[in-house]
Amino acid sequence: AQKVTQAQTEISVVEKEDVTLDCVYETRDTTYYLFWYKQPPSGELVFLIRRNSFDEQNEISGRYSWNFQKSTSSFNFTITASQVVDSAVYFCALSPGNQGGKLIFGQGTELSVKP
Amino acid sequence: NAGVMQNPRHLVRRRGQEARLRCSPMKGHSHVYWYRQLPEEGLKFMVYLQKENIIDESGMPKERFSAEFPKEGPSILRIQQVVRGDSAAYFCASSPRQSTGELFFGEGSRLTVL
Repeated sequence: AQKVTQAQTEISVVEKEDVTLDCVYETRDTTYYLFWYKQPPSGELVFLIRRNSFDEQNEISGRYSWNFQKSTSSFNFTITASQVVDSAVYFCALSPGNQGGKLIFGQGTELSVKP
Repeated sequence: NAGVMQNPRHLVRRRGQEARLRCSPMKGHSHVYWYRQLPEEGLKFMVYLQKENIIDESGMPKERFSAEFPKEGPSILRIQQVVRGDSAAYFCASSPRQSTGELFFGEGSRLTVL
């Protein structure tokens, strides 16, 4: 079965705190892609990152970092020094094999950053 | 605005009516995907279209739902004889070629069925 689980439904932090959003996935494919998307209050989903199953290197982009561990089937997302503008719903997603834009999304984690 | 444009942003229909949701992909994008976000559920893939072709409709309900992406004009998601359970946000996304998952999403069309 193909599945993405985001166990944290809601997280609330105070500005400047670090926060980690968890994502666990299930797939039997050996080739797959993992994603994070951000959904701000305006509604559209914004692409943040894509990783393929053969690249377990962690990635950092400004205040964002991602930790991919195949051994635990996890692809966690950390925001360092959170800001109010980070408030949004964050979705982790899986694209198995050659499924391209056919993504399997997790339930999403609603992050609220308070000033 | 060169992004994915969806309209209407909000649509209210009574049970039994038809709903038509439109999506204009980003300029130069010929691949369109429709997703549905139901309350208490995540986003679910519905259909993937290229110009004039349905490539994958494995996520579409078998009845009342149809999609098209004509040679000219926007992609249309059509829901006939709507029921309350169709109330959801419908998102369109586009990509310039067969996507590896990096999709450009619109702001969604929120359908409310009374």
